[in-house]
Amino acid sequence: GAVVSQHPSWVICKSGTSVKIECRSLDFQATTMFWYRQFPKQSLMLMATSNEGSKATYEQGVEKDKFLINHASLTLSTLTVTSAHPEDSSFYICSAHSGGTYEQYFGPGTRLTVT
Amino acid sequence: ELKVEQNPLFLSMQEGKNYTIYCNYSTTSDRLYWYRQDPGKSLESLFVLLSNGAVKQEGRLMASLDTKARLSTLHITAAVHDLSATYFCAVPEYGNKLVFGAGTILRVKS
Repeated sequence: GAVVSQHPSWVICKSGTSVKIECRSLDFQATTMFWYRQFPKQSLMLMATSNEGSKATYEQGVEKDKFLINHASLTLSTLTVTSAHPEDSSFYICSAHSGGTYEQYFGPGTRLTVT
Repeated sequence: ELKVEQNPLFLSMQEGKNYTIYCNYSTTSDRLYWYRQDPGKSLESLFVLLSNGAVKQEGRLMASLDTKARLSTLHITAAVHDLSATYFCAVPEYGNKLVFGAGTILRVKS
């Protein structure tokens, strides 16, 4: 089956610094990638939709200047959390969708802790 | 705005028993997804239901979709401890965006 990787799997950073998370589709080309955030004991909330070569579409309430998304190729999307604060600590999960299928393939997630 | 509701939110079951998790959604959709999440892990795809009346089974889990009632069920047969996890249903909005239910935490007790 299709594989999506994320890097890093966990990261601890200091408040005020920036962190970049990578999402890669390893064996298929992803026309669209999605970024989700999951707080403890909660469901997944979509943050943004990323299409290759175009600007990401952010969900209401998600600050686009704080969560920078770049989808530079059909196999790579990155999420940069800028000026991170403790309230940004969360589990970030990406998923990738390949045109022509109904499946979304989820990455293993990145646990971000901001101290 | 699409809303997806699951119930129950928490389910404690004895091994060997049967139970059903329900997923209701508020707007028309002909597709629905079920996922499993283990603690500290990402999502594992269980089922993709693509049409009204779709039924899929894998092991002790069976999922069905009634698009007219906007209802999907995930039925657990003869539960075993290994099924303990959180189960999510999700419905696509425009552009393949998924809206997730709140999740059902399943604990199977031996």
